[in-house]
Amino acid sequence: GAVVSQHPSRVICKSGTSVKIECRSLDFQATTMFWYRQFPKKSLMLMATSNEGSKATYEQGVEKDKFLINHASLTLSTLTVTSAHPEDSSFYICSARDGTSGGDEQFFGPGTRLTVL
Amino acid sequence: QKEVEQDPGPLSVPEGAIVSLNCTYSNSAFQYFMWYRQYSRKGPELLMYTYSSGNKEDGRFTAQVDKSSKYISLFIRDSQPSDSATYLCAMSPTNDYKLSFGAGTTVTVRA
Repeated sequence: GAVVSQHPSRVICKSGTSVKIECRSLDFQATTMFWYRQFPKKSLMLMATSNEGSKATYEQGVEKDKFLINHASLTLSTLTVTSAHPEDSSFYICSARDGTSGGDEQFFGPGTRLTVL
Repeated sequence: QKEVEQDPGPLSVPEGAIVSLNCTYSNSAFQYFMWYRQYSRKGPELLMYTYSSGNKEDGRFTAQVDKSSKYISLFIRDSQPSDSATYLCAMSPTNDYKLSFGAGTTVTVRA
């Protein structure tokens, strides 16, 4: 099956710093990537949708200036949490859709746990 | 009212039992239905993917979709301790790949 990786798997940072999370599709071209946030024992909440070469579409209530998304290639999307604060601590998960297969399945990465001190 | 409702459990069953999970939804535009399994601190893993109403079977897993009742189910036969995880239902409308997730049901299969 399709493989999606995320890096780093875990990051701890000080309040006020910026953190970049990478999401890569390893064996397919991802025309669309999605970024989710998950709180403990809660479901995934979609933050934004990104298409290669265009600006991301953010869900209502998600600050686009705080969560910068770049989808520079068909295999890489990045999420940068700018000026992180403790309330940004969460599990961030990306998913990717294999645009070449014509299917609608999304494949998820293993997630990145962000802790802001 | 949430768009997708799923009982968070927890659900505890003995090994070998049938696990029954379900979700209801309110958006009649949903056409694609998925079940994901998520182990602790890991990303979701796709288990079942269905488009139409009816049953779909894959090994020990059976997914059911009843669009008229806006109700989907996942059954796990001969459950194993390795099936202990959180199961998430997800769905999306045709031509829109944004998924709406249920809250997830935590399942524990006791050896």
